[in-house]
Amino acid sequence: DGGITQSPKYLFRKEGQNVTLSCEQNLNHDAMYWYRQDPGQGLRLIYYSQIVNDFQKGDIAEGYSVSREKKESFPLTVTSAQKNPTAFYLCASSTPRASKIAANTGELFFGEGSRLTVL
Amino acid sequence: GNSVTQMEGPVTLSEEAFLTINCTYTATGYPSLFWYVQYPGEGLQLLLKATKADDKGSNKGFEATYRKETTSFHLEKGSVQVSDSAVYFCALSHPNTGNQFYFGTGTSLTVIP
Repeated sequence: DGGITQSPKYLFRKEGQNVTLSCEQNLNHDAMYWYRQDPGQGLRLIYYSQIVNDFQKGDIAEGYSVSREKKESFPLTVTSAQKNPTAFYLCASSTPRASKIAANTGELFFGEGSRLTVL
Repeated sequence: GNSVTQMEGPVTLSEEAFLTINCTYTATGYPSLFWYVQYPGEGLQLLLKATKADDKGSNKGFEATYRKETTSFHLEKGSVQVSDSAVYFCALSHPNTGNQFYFGTGTSLTVIP
């Protein structure tokens, strides 16, 4: 079945360590996104990529890094520079809606999420 | 700029009650509008969507109508069930802004038997 797979589902990190969250999709989507979700808050965009080998910072990119070497994969690294990394991380993908293609609504498809806890 | 404002929660209803979660948006032109649902410990799932004015999205008994005149996309369900307990997010995307998604802060719904 097509979908988005995030791993690991749960991850514990000691302070000062970098960790990498995996996100793989087999939907043949061009665009991929990373969001952070904190309790009682909405989704905040960390990074996004519209095509391979290109990505842009979102609203809260500081302390995070990404790569997009393959269309299917968009890993997120939480670096030691991120001061408060404990959160629920969501990966998503979409085929962007083109203005002239009414049938393509460009909806986001989400993975199941990865919960990172800093000890 | 583009933004979404949705009703703050939490909302607690008895089973079979009527549900409305308000959502209004700010955007130029015709964005696509979405409702996503998040069950505990999971990612977001698309609940319903609408791409042009007066479109009605519907799924699993939920409905929302794209109202351009009031810039709204309120979520409704005539009779909620315990299994509808979740967090609901209103969102928009617009091709003129690179198809970026703008989410509301989410509304937590708890349905009690």
